[in-house]
Amino acid sequence: DGGITQSPKYLFRKEGQNVTLSCEQNLNHDAMYWYRQDPGQGLRLIYYSQIVNDFQKGDIAEGYSVSREKKESFPLTVTSAQKNPTAFYLCASMTGSKTDTQYFGPGTRLTVL
Amino acid sequence: GEDVEQSLFLSVREGDSSVINCTYTDSSSTYLYWYKQEPGAGLQLLTYIFSNMDMKQDQRLTVLLNKKDKHLSLRIADTQTGDSAIYFCAENPGSQGNLIFGKGTKLSVKP
Repeated sequence: DGGITQSPKYLFRKEGQNVTLSCEQNLNHDAMYWYRQDPGQGLRLIYYSQIVNDFQKGDIAEGYSVSREKKESFPLTVTSAQKNPTAFYLCASMTGSKTDTQYFGPGTRLTVL
Repeated sequence: GEDVEQSLFLSVREGDSSVINCTYTDSSSTYLYWYKQEPGAGLQLLTYIFSNMDMKQDQRLTVLLNKKDKHLSLRIADTQTGDSAIYFCAENPGSQGNLIFGKGTKLSVKP
């Protein structure tokens, strides 16, 4: 089955701890994206990567970091610098062609206690 | 700046038609999209329309695009309880593939 996987589905962490969210795709897509979703806020772009070993900040990158060492993987680290990390995090991928669209993973709900 | 606007809530009765509206600001957007999100899940692409089209129909879904007014709508015919979800409108204004999303319209279908 081709698709995007995110793990875990639910994640709990204590305040002040860094946490890494996993995103893997086997669609052979070039571009990958991380969004944050809060109730009534829609989706806000955190980071994106259009090619391996390269990534750019989105609208709300502060307190987050990413890496793109492999085409299939785009992990997101939520650092202790992120003031309000409790949210639903969505990963997406796209081939990079303008005629294509973004495909989303199932999401990870992070709760910081 | 870039902004996509949608009303936040819509309630319909089962069997009726639902119309979800969206306005966008970037006239250079080449594609416009509708996504569906069920509770606790990721976004699922429903349909998209190329900017040189006025209408696209796909089974119970009809997308209308008024490029002059920058207005996009999604009509769901014979709405079912399984259509209850949040529907996001999105535009693709640039060459990098980054989508701009609306805040989503929560559709509630009453039996």
